Amino acid sequence: EPEVTQTPSHQVTQMGQEVILRCVPISNHLYFYWYRQILGQKVEFLVSFYNNEISEKSEIFDDQFSVERPDGSNFTLKIRSTKLEDSAMYFCASSERSPLHFGNGTRLTVT
Amino acid sequence: GENVEQHPSTLSVQEGDSAVIKCTYSDSASNYFPWYKQELGKGPQLIIDIRSNVGEKKDQRIAVTLNKTAKHFSLHITETQPEDSAVYFCAASRNDYKLSFGAGTTVTVRA
Repeated sequence: EPEVTQTPSHQVTQMGQEVILRCVPISNHLYFYWYRQILGQKVEFLVSFYNNEISEKSEIFDDQFSVERPDGSNFTLKIRSTKLEDSAMYFCASSERSPLHFGNGTRLTVT
Repeated sequence: GENVEQHPSTLSVQEGDSAVIKCTYSDSASNYFPWYKQELGKGPQLIIDIRSNVGEKKDQRIAVTLNKTAKHFSLHITETQPEDSAVYFCAASRNDYKLSFGAGTTVTVRA
């Protein structure tokens, strides 16, 4: 069964550094998403992406976040200047429409 | 925005018994209600979903019920097996992709 692949599985970075989280969505999917889960909190929506542009974003997704589909297969989330509170599990998801298929996540630790 | 409450937070059942997880939602415009199962080290995997024009849906040992008037929906797992042990999340959405998740229920099936 096709699956969403995320790399790396764990990323440690220092506060103020830039990080890029990578995702390879399921190949025939057209909609792409990022969610995150801070430890002990709910999984929360960050952004949706369709037709090479952001279709919706949450209040969390401020100017330090950006998403890109640099080629036909990858979908990335960039955090420009990481803060301690960005430490979380970040999930990529993709879909034809619904349901969403999630990857295994990248655990981001900001020190 | 949408607020989804999920109960209980932990559930321990004897193998072969049933497990029931309940969720309530606040946004009467929500019309899509998926349930996800998350095993250790993996991302959420869809197990069943229901739309607001349907009151009940069943897939083998798993069933979901929806009460639109009361704004609550439930997951029922019958004849539980050790492999059902996982964290289960309910979610609600107006548009299929911007999911508001519950806090999760950790289910343990005792052999």
